[in-house]
Amino acid sequence: NAGVTQTPKFRVLKTGQSMTLLCAQDMNHEYMYWYRQDPGMGLRLIHYSVGEGTTAKGEVPDGYNVSRLKKQNFLLGLESAAPSQTSVYFCASITGTAYPPNTEAFFGQGTRLTVV
Amino acid sequence: AQSVTQPDIHITVSEGASLELRCNYSYGATPYLFWYVQSPGQGLQLLLKYFSGDTLVQGIKGFEAEFKRSQSSFNLRKPSVHWSDAAEYFCAVSNFGNEKLTFGTGTRLTIIP
Repeated sequence: NAGVTQTPKFRVLKTGQSMTLLCAQDMNHEYMYWYRQDPGMGLRLIHYSVGEGTTAKGEVPDGYNVSRLKKQNFLLGLESAAPSQTSVYFCASITGTAYPPNTEAFFGQGTRLTVV
Repeated sequence: AQSVTQPDIHITVSEGASLELRCNYSYGATPYLFWYVQSPGQGLQLLLKYFSGDTLVQGIKGFEAEFKRSQSSFNLRKPSVHWSDAAEYFCAVSNFGNEKLTFGTGTRLTIIP
């Protein structure tokens, strides 16, 4: 049982390049999230998904796209990377089933992305 | 919209001293509240959570938090800190039906000998 796994762990991109971050969970969770963490700003929600085939925008969705084609995977794409997207990205998942709602969120180890 | 405020960016405490980290939330109905801890280079780990019932909740690693509706607060406490408690602490709020988990900006805790 690996929990939540993020790939890759580190990446350096040039401005304008594209990339996809992969989040995989093996806990059969319904809800999955992508956050970015920047100094002094905590974790800000980029996009989230409440089930396979669904996605929704969070607080800071601009410049990112997501897909949830399989329940266990949640992909975050950067079509044209910008220096402002330099950050640490975290994926999380929650069961999303029955009461109590929103039980423990399980986080991946993070992806450190630098855009130069 | 729901929101969380952690007014202390950085706190320094001596080992063995007591600790209180502040958290204030904004939400119209009864919130679901959480405290997470992040060690350097790691993801976040749940310390404790409040859904309903007893307003004083116990968590892992000797932490506790008290929900005070009148003050819109959910402060985290520990009677005696250990050097291993040095980390960043995040308060978070969510509500049933709206599955967005909103985090505060975090409080970095430094422990001095």
